[in-house]
Amino acid sequence: DSGVTQTPKHLITATGQRVTLRCSPRSGDLSVYWYQQSLDQGLQFLIQYYNGEERAKGNILERFSAQQFPDLHSELNLSSLELGDSALYFCASSPDRGRLNTEAFFGQGTRLTVV
Amino acid sequence: AQTVTQSQPEMSVQEAETVTLSCTYDTSESDYYLFWYKQPPSRQMILVIRQEAYKQQNATENRFSVNFQKAAKSFSLKISDSQLGDAAMYFCAYRSKTGNQFYFGTGTSLTVIP
Repeated sequence: DSGVTQTPKHLITATGQRVTLRCSPRSGDLSVYWYQQSLDQGLQFLIQYYNGEERAKGNILERFSAQQFPDLHSELNLSSLELGDSALYFCASSPDRGRLNTEAFFGQGTRLTVV
Repeated sequence: AQTVTQSQPEMSVQEAETVTLSCTYDTSESDYYLFWYKQPPSRQMILVIRQEAYKQQNATENRFSVNFQKAAKSFSLKISDSQLGDAAMYFCAYRSKTGNQFYFGTGTSLTVIP
């Protein structure tokens, strides 16, 4: 158990709908990352938050948005969903409190299926 | 942007044997971090090993060790005494000292043959 919690584990929704994925980082971790992994593909970086503020942005679509709350949990909002958005969405957290605290710990992912 | 390349999409190894997975990266920075992550069929991403660029000594975690060649920008993973549970997709990752995003390779799928 990495200590990173993602909910829900599975989500099935129709095209055009909007969903929210939730991530609770490990206790004390300041950074949260969101990644998308399509079937048999690598990890696509979407966005990073650090202590409530957006720090880095990857190939995140305009239909997607995220935020990190004061308690450091994060949500990824996906709207106007398309079939191609079906993927495994990972949240990862990292302490980022100094040189030795730089690795990312991943949640189990949310498997999103758009039908 | 930094790039991470894993040139071996698939590898196989006999149980109890040793296998080496390759990773190269491109960066202009001198201080950074490198990681190997394992993704078994459960799809969970698990940190295997971590290396800091300023450390010359290669990292080791039980049966897993790395060969870090900074000048060549190479970071290979050696798995000794391979076990069936080592079968997974392995991702190499880079992170700059500034602490922003991780850059992942495309992965190497490892099969362990009984």
